[in-house]
Amino acid sequence: GENVEQHPSTLSVQEGDSAVIKCTYSDSASNYFPWYKQELGKRPQLIIDIRSNVGEKKDQRIAVTLNKTAKHFSLHITETQPEDSAVYFCAARGGSYIPTFGRGTSLIVHP
Amino acid sequence: KAGVTQTPRYLIKTRGQQVTLSCSPISGHRSVSWYQQTPGQGLQFLFEYFSETQRNKGNFPGRFSGRQFSNSRSEMNVSTLELGDSALYLCASSQTGRTEAFFGQGTRLTVV
Repeated sequence: GENVEQHPSTLSVQEGDSAVIKCTYSDSASNYFPWYKQELGKRPQLIIDIRSNVGEKKDQRIAVTLNKTAKHFSLHITETQPEDSAVYFCAARGGSYIPTFGRGTSLIVHP
Repeated sequence: KAGVTQTPRYLIKTRGQQVTLSCSPISGHRSVSWYQQTPGQGLQFLFEYFSETQRNKGNFPGRFSGRQFSNSRSEMNVSTLELGDSALYLCASSQTGRTEAFFGQGTRLTVV
């Protein structure tokens, strides 16, 4: 089955800095890669996703890049703000249509 | 449009008991998936239901079961509870299971 590795497990940045979270996947059939943000005590919420026919997607301060050859994808957050502090999960979904999640990255943005 | 609703929000059970959790998906969504979230393991897939049929199943013991009703509401049952079953149980709904998924707030289960 699919295996998703996510790094780092914890990321601490200063407000205004950029943050990058990286994920690798194992199943070459995976074709959909969502990212979820989970604030403390709240539900995971989809913040951005990318499909395998696209190499990069941006939404304001958030961007995701995908390298199908290397089987890795990354989340980039620019100009981080304290409200970006949360746990971020990457996921990969392929033929089984069930997403496999990474273990999460705890992002801490210091004011 | 109402979001995904899970009940109850919190549960405390004793080892050996059984528990039933409920998930009401977004109106029009026919796919409901269940996940177990723990600090060490992240989000682990339990099973997915679509049109009252279990379509996919994760690697959990048979003590974990579920079902889906004709109105797409889903229930998850855990029998013979163990301490290790303590976790946040999340359900997610999507229109077909092939589209983006929306999570509920979760049910926090504590087994003592």
